[in-house]
Amino acid sequence: GAGVSQSPSNKVTEKGKDVELRCDPISGHTALYWYRQRLGQGLEFLIYFQGNSAPDKSGLPSDRFSAERTGESVSTLTIQRTQQEDSAVYLCASGATSETDTQYFGPGTRLTVL
Amino acid sequence: GENVEQHPSTLSVQEGDSAVIKCTYSDSASNYFPWYKQELGKRPQLIIDIRSNVGEKKDQRIAVTLNKTAKHFSLHITETQPEDSAVYFCAASRNDYKLSFGAGTTVTVRA
Repeated sequence: GAGVSQSPSNKVTEKGKDVELRCDPISGHTALYWYRQRLGQGLEFLIYFQGNSAPDKSGLPSDRFSAERTGESVSTLTIQRTQQEDSAVYLCASGATSETDTQYFGPGTRLTVL
Repeated sequence: GENVEQHPSTLSVQEGDSAVIKCTYSDSASNYFPWYKQELGKRPQLIIDIRSNVGEKKDQRIAVTLNKTAKHFSLHITETQPEDSAVYFCAASRNDYKLSFGAGTTVTVRA
């Protein structure tokens, strides 16, 4: 079946512009996660959605970052007034439940802020 | 919150030799420990995981061991092959959704 997909695969933007990144989770997966991976580093948790519950936004680095999810489907991560330090790969993952089930990752969006 | 440390940061092994990566965690309530493999430019993929009621788990050439008392767990790859070259991440979770990842180990298998 189809895995997690993300778009765009690459995004180059100018400092100060807003960007929107999209994630399509695996159908039926209620849990959705966003991570940030800077070059050569590990994965930083950003935000978690589970069904219709309030999302856990504790990993968002600043109020320039926000994310939405429509029901149990598509999610968008928005970064406003981008800064050079926002340059990273943004990975989305989905999982079947809120318990410690396998997280399936998307291919990521490589964001470059000039 | 949970703090996961991973060592070494880089590991170079001769093809056919074994590779071992070690992680320690801080939260004694953590009970789920997955390992992810990320090839260059690709997405992380789960390769093996272990839960706290088990001390060791094996899947072909890879195995994971867990020492809950010492709060550390390790990944063992035997008979390494060139396709094992990748970045490996350990993670820990305390029966909720939030995985805390180690910084990663870059494994290079020399032919």
